[in-house]
Amino acid sequence: GAGVSQSPSNKVTEKGKDVELRCDPISGHTALYWYRQRLGQGLEFLIYFQGNSAPDKSGLPSDRFSAERTGESVSTLTIQRTQQEDSAVYLCASSLEGRLPYEQYFGPGTRLTVT
Amino acid sequence: GQSLEQPSEVTAVEGAIVQINCTYQTSGFYGLSWYQQHDGGAPTFLSYNALDGLEETGRFSSFLSRSDSYGYLLLQELQMKDSASYFCAVRDHGSARQLTFGSGTQLTVLP
Repeated sequence: GAGVSQSPSNKVTEKGKDVELRCDPISGHTALYWYRQRLGQGLEFLIYFQGNSAPDKSGLPSDRFSAERTGESVSTLTIQRTQQEDSAVYLCASSLEGRLPYEQYFGPGTRLTVT
Repeated sequence: GQSLEQPSEVTAVEGAIVQINCTYQTSGFYGLSWYQQHDGGAPTFLSYNALDGLEETGRFSSFLSRSDSYGYLLLQELQMKDSASYFCAVRDHGSARQLTFGSGTQLTVLP
């Protein structure tokens, strides 16, 4: 594809349910990032994948959050036992790591609403 | 850790020039980026500065002073379509794999 894609675009779920968000990065991009953006706020780093290296999970807010990536392809972000505070837009980005200007290409995001 | 400060809102009129400042604190600076985000849209890359000085790309320019831990984004000949949020972001040696974003500056361009 031409850009980063994410699905679903919108997700409404009940408190306590699990959700899974998907990200398809740009083909050939070795690095993949997940961010959370609450309404009117900046981007909060969640997790980073680079090739086959161990992911940098330092931004995950709790053990209810986890993410996987198979090789240099699709990634899924899973939120278990969702809480209302999880409501936000979840953005995925990919990049060609090691290449200036280290530009990250963002997907359109998944808007998660926990009721 | 890293922290960034930028104004929350800026308003200007069409055709004007506006400067959005960003100050940062990091453990080991690597570079400063700027991203634009329209309402409901994805952030898009504008510029990256690793060295001191001004980088110009069309109507947009970005400046960095490493000694002052300071940068700015300069937008000239403002157009209505420039109304958006602008985020500065730093890469540092402590977390070279990722960017830390500021909270963003909402720019409103008035006719």
